[in-house]
Amino acid sequence: KAGVTQTPRYLIKTRGQQVTLSCSPISGHRSVSWYQQTPGQGLQFLFEYFSETQRNKGNFPGRFSGRQFSNSRSEMNVSTLELGDSALYLCASSLVGQGAGTDTQYFGPGTRLTVL
Amino acid sequence: DAKTTQPPSMDCAEGRAANLPCNHSTISGNEYVYWYRQIHSQGPQYIIHGLKNNETNEMASLIITEDRKSSTLILPHATLRDTAVYYCIVRNSGSARQLTFGSGTQLTVLP
Repeated sequence: KAGVTQTPRYLIKTRGQQVTLSCSPISGHRSVSWYQQTPGQGLQFLFEYFSETQRNKGNFPGRFSGRQFSNSRSEMNVSTLELGDSALYLCASSLVGQGAGTDTQYFGPGTRLTVL
Repeated sequence: DAKTTQPPSMDCAEGRAANLPCNHSTISGNEYVYWYRQIHSQGPQYIIHGLKNNETNEMASLIITEDRKSSTLILPHATLRDTAVYYCIVRNSGSARQLTFGSGTQLTVLP
């Protein structure tokens, strides 16, 4: 079974632009979570989607948004990019996403975003 | 979710067992212990998880103390490719869906 895929793998943008990142979950997985990883803040939770609905959100400004499609694929969007948005953006999928201890999240390779 | 404490770094000789400790003294009864690792600039890789019994899979073993306040991840025969940051995460089985990552342990396997 194929793993979580993320596109693009690398991206360079300039301040003020917006960006859309894509995530395809493992086949059959219905929950998709997004995380941001920076050297200063580590790995931080952005939001989680299940059945096209955002179920959980981390402490990030409204410039960060996402959506999920009926096939469980997800996109996240960052508008008005700032230098501090440079990070590795990670997507993780899980089977049901009910928060059960056995509902393991599997991560994709990430998208490396550089904001100049 | 309960907070975890891990040593910032550890070394291990290639071919030897790597034992990575994690303290989670405030863990509650319905919280699982998860281990992930992250090789530089890649996505975290799931290793193993457990509630109270020891667990083993093809990658590692997880030993949880009887009082559940600490655990040890064991890589039985470490290789150079096991060099990574290892994260111990305590996760509620109920409402908390996200993973809360700490700083982890940088394991370096030496030739």
